[in-house]
Amino acid sequence: GNSVTQMQGQVTLSEEEFLFINCTYSTTGYPTLFWYVQYPGEGPQLLLKVTTANNKGSSRGFEATYDKGTTSFHLQKASVQESDSAVYYCVLGAPGGNYKPTFGKGTSLVVHP
Amino acid sequence: NSKVIQTPRYLVKGQGQKAKMRCIPEKGHPVVFWYQQNKNNEFKFLINFQNQEVLQQIDMTEKRFSAECPSNSPCSLEIQSSEAGDSALYLCASSLYREGDTQYFGPGTRLLVL
Repeated sequence: GNSVTQMQGQVTLSEEEFLFINCTYSTTGYPTLFWYVQYPGEGPQLLLKVTTANNKGSSRGFEATYDKGTTSFHLQKASVQESDSAVYYCVLGAPGGNYKPTFGKGTSLVVHP
Repeated sequence: NSKVIQTPRYLVKGQGQKAKMRCIPEKGHPVVFWYQQNKNNEFKFLINFQNQEVLQQIDMTEKRFSAECPSNSPCSLEIQSSEAGDSALYLCASSLYREGDTQYFGPGTRLLVL
């Protein structure tokens, strides 16, 4: 079956530090990969999306690269801000007849001023 | 700034009571998903629709939930007999296409079953 692994439950940083959130996935075929971000009291919202056609996505200073060799889709940001504090989800959209996205367990990012 | 509208935002029910929540998808989006998000932030897919047709649902939903997406009316998800374990955030998401598309989420309905 399909699976997504986010090993880091929480990441704590100070402003302007480098962010790296690990995500690996398992599936067959060529999935679409997403990073969603969820702020307190809100539903998740798309941060970035990558397909096999474009391999790399970026938005608001965040970047993620689709690596089929290592089946990874890590999220990075060079310099975080306090406003980036939220929960980040790596999501696998595997093609197939019974399509339903597979969510990672989420990584809570806390950024201190 | 969710364009997907979910009501009510909060719902408190006793065990055995019905619990109904509604979702208005983003305009023009024919595909609707419902998820349950537990206190550990884990997502569970419940059911999805394309227009009025159910695409797939999990066993729990088939047995204990009633869901529909009627034409020109909000989609709804109703637990027929609430249990303590149903306490969670229920998220509705809509998209333009069935597969591989960005999902637009509402703010959720937080259900507490006492």
